[in-house]
Amino acid sequence: DVVMTQSPLSLSVTLGQPASISCRSSQSLVDSDGNTYLNWFQQRPGQSPRRLIYKVSNRDSGVPDRFSGSGSGTDFTLKISRVEAEDVGVYYCMQPTLWPPLTFGGGTKVDIK
Amino acid sequence: EVQLVESGGGLVQPGGSLRLSCAASGFTFSSYWMSWVRQAPGKGLEWVANVKKDGSEKNYVDSVKGRFTISRDNAKNSLYLQMNSLRAEDTAVYYCAREIALRYWGQGTLVTVSS
Repeated sequence: DVVMTQSPLSLSVTLGQPASISCRSSQSLVDSDGNTYLNWFQQRPGQSPRRLIYKVSNRDSGVPDRFSGSGSGTDFTLKISRVEAEDVGVYYCMQPTLWPPLTFGGGTKVDIK
Repeated sequence: EVQLVESGGGLVQPGGSLRLSCAASGFTFSSYWMSWVRQAPGKGLEWVANVKKDGSEKNYVDSVKGRFTISRDNAKNSLYLQMNSLRAEDTAVYYCAREIALRYWGQGTLVTVSS
């Protein structure tokens, strides 16, 4: 199984400042079709998860452009350019490349300093 | 608007059974793989199972193989999870989600396994 490792476990950020979350996979997420499948999810307190980013860097509809994804192979990053109060929650990376099983990172909790 | 509404959760004793349902609307249900994902209290997300568009392929996480069965009824736009031989460690909120890449999620249904 592909192990997804996120860091840091938690992040306390001042409003308006940037934030960065790292995700590393135990195997390359480059598929045989040449695409890299790595998604990011946001889970606000008391809510269901919501997908933010798919295939490393593609934002889902309705996702603010302050969220961006990057990376390749086994190393990936989610960046928030200017953190807002509504960004508080837990962020997860997930790989749908080498499955089953689909695997998630352990999560990174983001709060406001 | 895509909607996924789970139901069927509740309190069950260890060794018992429960059947979860997920009612889908707002999209062509038969065109997508569907998944179940769970989240134990205060913990992270864990994929449980998925099923192909026509129901011909099903996959499970090792910890539920032989105990859980995923199924779907495309005529009723519904996804199911039959859970047998339930254990305390199966206690979680269970979400249904659309497609392998988990684009859309339901609100979840809580399953509590306890005596």
